[in-house]
Amino acid sequence: KAGVTQTPRYLIKTRGQQVTLSCSPISGHRSVSWYQQTPGQGLQFLFEYFSETQRNKGNFPGRFSGRQFSNSRSEMNVSTLELGDSALYLCASSLEGVGVSGANVLTFGAGSRLTVL
Amino acid sequence: QKEVEQNSGPLSVPEGAIASLNCTYSDRGSQSFFWYRQYSGKSPELIMSIYSNGDKEDGRFTAQLNKASQYVSLLIRDSQPSDSATYLCAAKEPGGYNKLIFGAGTRLAVHP
Repeated sequence: KAGVTQTPRYLIKTRGQQVTLSCSPISGHRSVSWYQQTPGQGLQFLFEYFSETQRNKGNFPGRFSGRQFSNSRSEMNVSTLELGDSALYLCASSLEGVGVSGANVLTFGAGSRLTVL
Repeated sequence: QKEVEQNSGPLSVPEGAIASLNCTYSDRGSQSFFWYRQYSGKSPELIMSIYSNGDKEDGRFTAQLNKASQYVSLLIRDSQPSDSATYLCAAKEPGGYNKLIFGAGTRLAVHP
């Protein structure tokens, strides 16, 4: 069973540019969450999507946005990049359910490492 | 501000010893807790989940939860050099669907 796939794995951008990151969840997983990981702030929640709807959002500026498609694949976008946006962006998927083995447990992808110059 | 606190370490233990990792959380409403292991340059991978007070064992790993004390721990028995990694404790935010609040992580070093 394929895991969570994130693309691209590495990218370099300059300040002011925008970036789009992609995430394909584990087959059958309908929840996709995004996290930002930096050495100073650790892992911080960005947002979660389920059935194409954002159902939770972290404390990030509006420059950070995302969406989910009907096949559960998700994208996140960061506009007007700042140096501080350099981070590892992690996508995680989970299986929804009550009493279902392994449900509601996040499985992370390998991440997209963004460097902003 | 909901928080999960961990000692950043490094926690250094000899090979074969028991490593004890600890975590406290601030939101008394949290019901679900997770331990993730993250090797340098890699993404977090789930080690254990725990939802009820008491101990949960899986191979060399034992997670312990005490909701009254708002305390979660992870014991690694017979520690191996391959266990050297950062261990992240996470609590699911009540009503936050799958939103996890992560601690800063404890770096574990197992030396031969």
